[in-house]
Amino acid sequence: GAVVSQHPSWVICKSGTSVKIECRSLDFQATTMFWYRQFPKQSLMLMATSNEGSKATYEQGVEKDKFLINHASLTLSTLTVTSAHPEDSSFYICSATPTSGSPYEQYFGPGTRLTVT
Amino acid sequence: DAKTTQPTSMDCAEGRAANLPCNHSTISGNEYVYWYRQIHSQGPQYIIHGLKNNETNEMASLIITEDRKSSTLILPHATLRDTAVYYCIVRVGQAGTALIFGKGTTLSVSS
Repeated sequence: GAVVSQHPSWVICKSGTSVKIECRSLDFQATTMFWYRQFPKQSLMLMATSNEGSKATYEQGVEKDKFLINHASLTLSTLTVTSAHPEDSSFYICSATPTSGSPYEQYFGPGTRLTVT
Repeated sequence: DAKTTQPTSMDCAEGRAANLPCNHSTISGNEYVYWYRQIHSQGPQYIIHGLKNNETNEMASLIITEDRKSSTLILPHATLRDTAVYYCIVRVGQAGTALIFGKGTTLSVSS
């Protein structure tokens, strides 16, 4: 089946530093990838939609200069949290839709737990 | 996308069937019903989806009412590993659009 990986699975960083999270589709090409954020005991919130080779589309209220998204290839999208602060601590999850195949398919990564101290 | 309503939580005994309801009274004719689940601290997992006919796969069955205003996800023999948050999502099957998650139903399976 289609597999999406994320790296790292968890990261701790100091306030003011930046951290990059990678999302890879391992056995399929993904024109579109999505980034979600999930706070404790809450549902997933869509942050942005990332299309290969073009700028990401951010949801209302998500700062594009703080959450930098790059989708440089059909198998890799990265999310960089710049100048992280404790309130950015969250569970970040990516998902990907295969380039070929059903448009109904969306596969999720295992998530990255970010803790900012 | 159509709004969905799910109970906040449900309990189920191990080995019994778990029936999770979802109301989507404003669903449009071209919108599908999707079910995903999220086990604690993991990414969501696809379970099943359907348009108007009942569907079954190795994980679950999906029963959609004739007027399509509600549906039920059935886990025929729940196990402890089925304890998770279950999300019912209604959306058109359009490429490049994200799944939008509501609050879901927390299913607790106990022995």
